[in-house]
Amino acid sequence: GQQLNQSPQSMFIQEGEDVSMNCTSSSIFNTWLWYKQDPGEGPVLLIALYKAGELTSNGRLTAQFGITRKDSFLNISASIPSDVGIYFCAGLNYGGSQGNLIFGKGTKLSVKP
Amino acid sequence: NAGVTQTPKFQVLKTGQSMTLQCAQDMNHNSMYWYRQDPGMGLRLIYYSASEGTTDKGEVPNGYNVSRLNKREFSLRLESAAPSQTSVYFCASISRRGALSIGYTFGSGTRLTVV
Repeated sequence: GQQLNQSPQSMFIQEGEDVSMNCTSSSIFNTWLWYKQDPGEGPVLLIALYKAGELTSNGRLTAQFGITRKDSFLNISASIPSDVGIYFCAGLNYGGSQGNLIFGKGTKLSVKP
Repeated sequence: NAGVTQTPKFQVLKTGQSMTLQCAQDMNHNSMYWYRQDPGMGLRLIYYSASEGTTDKGEVPNGYNVSRLNKREFSLRLESAAPSQTSVYFCASISRRGALSIGYTFGSGTRLTVV
């Protein structure tokens, strides 16, 4: 079945640094989504991308839908402590799949000791 | 507007016991989903319900059953719990904007331990 490769698996951030993570797939998707999950909570949608090449921002977050429709990246600028958590990418093909999201395995952001 | 509500938040079961995880959404969404989340595995789909009265298997359905009781409620049942079912379970419902599915709204999860 379809799989998403998300990298890096984990990273440490220092306040003020920019952060970058990405997802790649062997299959194409019609929609890419980025979620953040805080400890003890469900994932919360950050950004949704619907069109190949689309670049969308949400505050300090910027995400892009790759031209090939097989990849997406998420950037966080000027990170702050509350950015820590697990970030998931997800690909969606609506239509016959009933809107089933395929999730990456997550990128865990932690504060640099 | 509570979104997606899951109960219970925590549960410990003994092997072989049964239980039902409850999920309700108040957003009038048609489609609802059950996922499990395990360390290093991301979120995997157990079952989903595209609309009231229909249910379909996802990636990891074995050991589970579901019921779409009405448009609001979608329950997940473990008939005979096994330690391999220790996990965090998330219910989700889908948001639509016109013809587009624009993302899922997740509940806050049920943390299940089977001993």
